[in-house]
Amino acid sequence: DGGITQSPKYLFRKEGQNVTLSCEQNLNHDAMYWYRQDPGQGLRLIYYSQIVNDFQKGDIAEGYSVSREKKESFPLTVTSAQKNPTAFYLCASSTSREEDQPQHFGDGTRLSIL
Amino acid sequence: AQKVTQAQTEISVVEKEDVTLDCVYETRDTTYYLFWYKQPPSGELVFLIRRNSFDEQNEISGRYSWNFQKSTSSFNFTITASQVVDSAVYFCALSEDSGGGADGLTFGKGTHLIIQP
Repeated sequence: DGGITQSPKYLFRKEGQNVTLSCEQNLNHDAMYWYRQDPGQGLRLIYYSQIVNDFQKGDIAEGYSVSREKKESFPLTVTSAQKNPTAFYLCASSTSREEDQPQHFGDGTRLSIL
Repeated sequence: AQKVTQAQTEISVVEKEDVTLDCVYETRDTTYYLFWYKQPPSGELVFLIRRNSFDEQNEISGRYSWNFQKSTSSFNFTITASQVVDSAVYFCALSEDSGGGADGLTFGKGTHLIIQP
């Protein structure tokens, strides 16, 4: 079945360590997104990519980095510069680069600090 | 800048009651899109509906209905005859037509709906 796969489901990070969250989609979608969700909060946009080899910062990009080398993959790296990384991370994709298309979400990765 | 407000943090009703989730938005654009998503305890977001700014017709899908009113910048969601399986966090979201492609959604903080048996 087509969909978005995020891995791992749970991830633990030590202080000063970079970690990478995986997001893969087999929907042939052009656009991909990363959101962060904190308890009792809505989702906030970290980075997005409308096309391969191109991406833009969202509202809270500091301390994060991404790459888009393949259409189906959009990994997110949480760097040591992100001082409060504990959160639920959701990856999404949409069928086109236009604003009217609904985004489809993965199951999320829950990141915690050891 | 765009903004979405879901003033109801948590709503608890007894099964079979009707319940309305409120959503108020702010945008300077004349063309924009509104969405509702459901987030069950498992965590993934499930798309429910999309509405564009030029279409003010209300929509009904089974027990779900949506009331879009541009005059009050609201896009409210009603569940009729609620069921325990409706328990989830519901998010309202906004996308503006910036002319540069899809820049991502602006989400409200969500309403946690609890349906008690």
